[in-house]
Amino acid sequence: QKEVEQNSGPLSVPEGAIASLNCTYSDRVSQSFFWYRQYSGKSPELIMSIYSNGDKEDGRFTAQLNKASQYVSLLIRDSQPSDSATYLCAGDYNTDKLIFGTGTRLQVFP
Amino acid sequence: GAGVSQSPRYKVAKRGQDVALRCDPISGHVSLFWYQQALGQGPEFLTYFQNEAQLDKSGLPSDRFFAERPEGSVSTLKIQRTQQEDSAVYLCASSPRSGLAGGQGEQFFGPGTRLTVL
Repeated sequence: QKEVEQNSGPLSVPEGAIASLNCTYSDRVSQSFFWYRQYSGKSPELIMSIYSNGDKEDGRFTAQLNKASQYVSLLIRDSQPSDSATYLCAGDYNTDKLIFGTGTRLQVFP
Repeated sequence: GAGVSQSPRYKVAKRGQDVALRCDPISGHVSLFWYQQALGQGPEFLTYFQNEAQLDKSGLPSDRFFAERPEGSVSTLKIQRTQQEDSAVYLCASSPRSGLAGGQGEQFFGPGTRLTVL
């Protein structure tokens, strides 16, 4: 069974802090991972993709992938109240579909 | 540029009715996907098209669900004899990649259709 697991949260952080979101996956086959942000009542919005071990930075966002330990994480620096949303982790398991976790709800308070 | 669009945005159906949900992918995107998202859950894969060919329909929950993409652009997801358990948000996504090996790469989602079956 191919799975992606996330803590549902909520994860509460103060404005300006670093938010750390984590995701584990069950099968070493998966090659590519994606982080989506989903505001309440809206559709998922792609914010980061990562394909190889290590870190990938894009503005305030850093994705980290560790294939040996089968986890992927997303760091959000200088968190803002507008970052409050559900963050979905997804892996593709080298197939034609994305397997999503249940999402972690992030709350950034002023 | 234009993103993925879906219609209707909201649909209320009485149990037993048939419904049709439409997706317009990003222009030029080869791959099109349908996902179902229940409240508080992540999206779950339903089916995948590469151009007009339906290459994977392993996620369709029953034979009441049918999808097509006859000309390789617009797609329709049809649900026959709707049941209350069909109530969910139906998301369409598209991707510019066409290869199956090595995954599909980035997928871009439309706004979804919220289906409520009474």
